[in-house]
Amino acid sequence: QVQLVESGGGVVQPGRSLRLSCAASGFTFNNYVMHWVRQAPGKGLEWVAVISYDGNIEYYTDSVKGRFTISRDNSRNTLYLQMNSLRPEDTAVYYCARDRFRVVVPSAWFDPWGQGTLVTVSS
Amino acid sequence: QSALTQPRSVSGSPGQSVTISCTGTSSEVGGYDYVSWYQQHPGKAPKLMIYDVNERPSGVPGRFSGSKSGNTASLTISGLHPDDEAEYYCSSYADINTFVFGTGTKVTVL
Repeated sequence: QVQLVESGGGVVQPGRSLRLSCAASGFTFNNYVMHWVRQAPGKGLEWVAVISYDGNIEYYTDSVKGRFTISRDNSRNTLYLQMNSLRPEDTAVYYCARDRFRVVVPSAWFDPWGQGTLVTVSS
Repeated sequence: QSALTQPRSVSGSPGQSVTISCTGTSSEVGGYDYVSWYQQHPGKAPKLMIYDVNERPSGVPGRFSGSKSGNTASLTISGLHPDDEAEYYCSSYADINTFVFGTGTKVTVL
């Protein structure tokens, strides 16, 4: 069955870096756009970034532009989120989610989702 | 990129109907017929319930329905079940290749 498994979360000091991974299985990974969505403790969902099927197109929410980089390795069926210059407000559970198309279009959806990985930014 | 506005909570008895609103602007909700809705139980990942304003993925019960008027989308749960108690989020494409979620609504089954 379709499965997404995130890893790489943990506790990190402000200003440091962390790389999250999302291992995909049960579907043809290189046929789909992929997203990262985060959820701060006790708060709502926030879309973070998206990448096209081939990795050539990326878009970000304003608050992470210049600090976060989304990427993918289709040979490893894995999605990544490189997070640099981390701030306390980046503390959240980070989810990866599959889109329904190969290219980034307005009619996107987020389905399915992984179980999430917790990132805590604290000194 | 401000979050879409949802009521903080709604409630109803089993078998009743509840409606959750999701208000944005012409830059997202009002500008595109691509609103989706997600259900999230505590400690769990979100689940897609509605896409393209009013379409249900296979496996989602027919008591879930969506609609949109102007800058406001709505999710209606007709005939509440106890396991419908959860947090619900709307989402929409926003201008310039970004996406936005709603603030979330807690549905309580009394």
